[in-house]
Order: sequence, then structure tokens, then C-alpha cells
Amino acid sequence: RKEVEQDPGPFNVPEGATVAFNCTYSNSASQSFFWYRQDCRKEPKLLMSVYSSGNEDGRFTAQLNRASQYISLLIRDSKLSDSATYLCVVTGNPYSGAGSYQLTFGKGTKLSVIP
Amino acid sequence: DGGITQSPKYLFRKEGQNVTLSCEQNLNHDAMYWYRQDPGQGLRLIYYSQIVNDFQKGDIAEGYSVSREKKESFPLTVTSAQKNPTAFYLCASSSREYSYEQYFGPGTRLTVT
Repeated sequence: RKEVEQDPGPFNVPEGATVAFNCTYSNSASQSFFWYRQDCRKEPKLLMSVYSSGNEDGRFTAQLNRASQYISLLIRDSKLSDSATYLCVVTGNPYSGAGSYQLTFGKGTKLSVIP
Repeated sequence: DGGITQSPKYLFRKEGQNVTLSCEQNLNHDAMYWYRQDPGQGLRLIYYSQIVNDFQKGDIAEGYSVSREKKESFPLTVTSAQKNPTAFYLCASSSREYSYEQYFGPGTRLTVT
């Protein structure tokens, strides 16, 4: 089983649509979870962290289900500017001694919002 | 403005040559990382450094080398031993307190022919 698996995509949706991305992870010891956004041929940028209680940032809602090892991202009222690849990221094994953690990236799901 | 810079943006080399990619940050971050991204693939960790003069291998360190002589700088050398060096290379950094929030530079696209 791959460490972080995402919907393969691509997702092509009209402006104003609601779209949901799913992600599963294999390492039950993972402690932190994130969604990153990567525009074409650019660097990834942190979109939002994902908390057990669920969290919302404007049109974006992230949820975590630790029991199922499942993370989701919901985008409401899609805009053209939301077109990008969305990367699911989890922390893996801790680096020894320093309290920091290795990030494991999913392959990403490409979203295209169509006028 | 604080941030991470990588240079050059595009780099072309002949097979058999070593090449060094630059990464500089002025965020005062302790930790720095190098990743590689291939088309349709997730990012894979090459090397990371949590403090000056110390660095550790990531998942795919073979054929690469790094140094961390200054807090601000973490150059990556792609050696001729790296079998498939053509890729998009991304440098990132993070603070000690929030080590899982990594900030990325704009990347270097390396093409080896």
C-alpha cells in the first residue's frame, strides 16, 4: 500500500461547483496532516493544515478521520484561480532526536475549473 | 521580503558532469530540505539538514551530495553517479518550532542530456 494515496484526477469542474478531494494514508503514527497547492511548474505552497475536529478557511474545508486514516478537502464555489494540483501531505517517521518530522507527499490531484 | 531563492531556474548539463544547485533562505529557519519531483510523481526527499554542519540522507540520496556551512545556504550537488538526474528540484525550509510547515523555493528544472 502506498504511503499517501489520492484520487487520480484530473477533476474538470465548472465555475461555482463544489469539488471534494480524498486522500488515505498508511502510517497510523502520522501526527500532522496538510493540503498543499501546486500551480503548474511552480513550487508547492501550504494551503491549510488539517485538524481532527475539521477546519474551514473561507471556501475550503478540510477534515481528518484518524480511525479510517482518511483526509478530505472540500472546495465550495470553485473559482478559475483554484485550478491547480492539490497535494495531500502527512508527517511520517520522526527525525531522530530533534522532534521534527518527515513529510510524505501524495502524487496530487489536478483540478481544472472551467468558465 | 523573507523567502527562499533557488538558482538557476533552468539548468542544462551534459551527462557525466556534476552540477550544483543553489538554495538560500533568509527566514532564519534552522531546517532545510531538498526534494525531487518527477512528472506525475509526489515529492521525494533527497537530503535534509536540521542544523549547520549536519545533514542526513532522505529516501533517495544516492548520487547526490550536500553541505550546510551556513544557516542560510544548503547547496545540492547532482553527481555523475545519479542515474536519472533530469527532474524538478525543490528546496524547502522550516523553523524548529513548526518543522512540519515547510516553505518552498521556486525550484530548479535540471535537464541532463
